Amino acid sequence: DTAVSQTPKYLVTQMGNDKSIKCEQNLGHDTMYWYKQDSKKFLKIMFSYNNKELIINETVPNRFSPKSPDKAHLNLHINSLELGDSAVYFCASSQLNGGLNNEQFFGPGTRLTVL
Amino acid sequence: SQKIEQNSEALNIQEGKTATLTCNYTNYSPAYLQWYRQDPGRGPVFLLLIRENEKEKRKERLKVTFDTTLKQSLFHITASQPADSATYLCALRGRNQGGKLIFGQGTELSVKP
Repeated sequence: DTAVSQTPKYLVTQMGNDKSIKCEQNLGHDTMYWYKQDSKKFLKIMFSYNNKELIINETVPNRFSPKSPDKAHLNLHINSLELGDSAVYFCASSQLNGGLNNEQFFGPGTRLTVL
Repeated sequence: SQKIEQNSEALNIQEGKTATLTCNYTNYSPAYLQWYRQDPGRGPVFLLLIRENEKEKRKERLKVTFDTTLKQSLFHITASQPADSATYLCALRGRNQGGKLIFGQGTELSVKP
């Protein structure tokens, strides 16, 4: 009965590699997000998709490419990984203009370590 | 530039006392403000929302205030318990920003028995 799930939980890789993180939500929400949380705990929005369309695209290197095959999935592909990409990446979902609280539901996070 | 600031220092209090956490912002006109709780190794969990035209919101032992003149929100946990120990994040949503939330860096709360 997991609401927002991400895989993998941990990802350790070498600099220069390409990797993907997958996210799925079973809440029926129309909007999904990717956040990056650095070592200082700042949680920063990277991308957001509403009904498979990109609506938020923050200043993120082109090496990061989100893909939303359907409303329930938002994957993150990262090319040519760099040391500075090491962080915890969170997926979240919400109903964009619905619900009393407009809260976002977060996944458990993927800890990416680039060596 | 836009900024959201929370106390970066950890807050240590005794069980049973009231914990008060602060969230200050500059150069924002938020439509609403949310508070989330984050436990180590987990994603944030929504707690409360307060809109720009509301002064105060309560939920069980939690209370949030919102002062748009001071550009500040206060988050209170009354009768605190060790289980309340976590990091608490405030988040602002501006108007017409497509659901974009801007988060503060969080304040770590530790409640000692």
